[in-house]
Amino acid sequence: EPEVTQTPSHQVTQMGQEVILRCVPISNHLYFYWYRQILGQKVEFLVSFYNNEISEKSEIFDDQFSVERPDGSNFTLKIRSTKLEDSAMYFCASSGGLLAKNIQYFGAGTRLSVL
Amino acid sequence: AQKITQTQPGMFVQEKEAVTLDCTYDTSDQSYGLFWYKQPSSGEMIFLIYQGSYDEQNATEGRYSLNFQKARKSANLVISASQLGDSAMYFCAMRGIDNYGQNFVFGPGTRLSVLP
Repeated sequence: EPEVTQTPSHQVTQMGQEVILRCVPISNHLYFYWYRQILGQKVEFLVSFYNNEISEKSEIFDDQFSVERPDGSNFTLKIRSTKLEDSAMYFCASSGGLLAKNIQYFGAGTRLSVL
Repeated sequence: AQKITQTQPGMFVQEKEAVTLDCTYDTSDQSYGLFWYKQPSSGEMIFLIYQGSYDEQNATEGRYSLNFQKARKSANLVISASQLGDSAMYFCAMRGIDNYGQNFVFGPGTRLSVLP
């Protein structure tokens, strides 16, 4: 069964450092997403991406964040200068369409710990 | 704006019994989708079931069914014959079609514990 894969599973970094979280969406999906879940809290939308550009972003997704699809398979989230409050689980998701019924399939997440 | 409410932070159920996890939502969209995801302790988000706002029948997927009451704006998840492996966080989410209708709005979750 096709799945969304995320690497690494756990990333530890020092405050102020740049991190890149990687995702390989399901191969025939066209819409990609990043979500964040701070420990013990609900999942929050960050950004959606289609046709090589951001189609929607939340207020969380400020200038410190960027996304990229560097090749035909990877989808990355970069945090330019990490802050302590960026510590969270980051989920990548993909879907085959934009309709309300299109299921978003999530990866297993990357736990980011900023020290 | 869309909002999901899950009023049960934690639930307990005896193995093999059925359990209902509550979800209410608020939206001005005419067309939307409602989803349930399971998050075990390992952290991944597993899709369970989907209900469209115009679907006339309640969705079912194996032991999971969705009790959809549109007028009440509720989409409760029913798990029949609970198993120990069902112990996890359960998130209700919705997706509308305002703007691009792309992102999910998640509820705060319900932690289900299945007792042997």
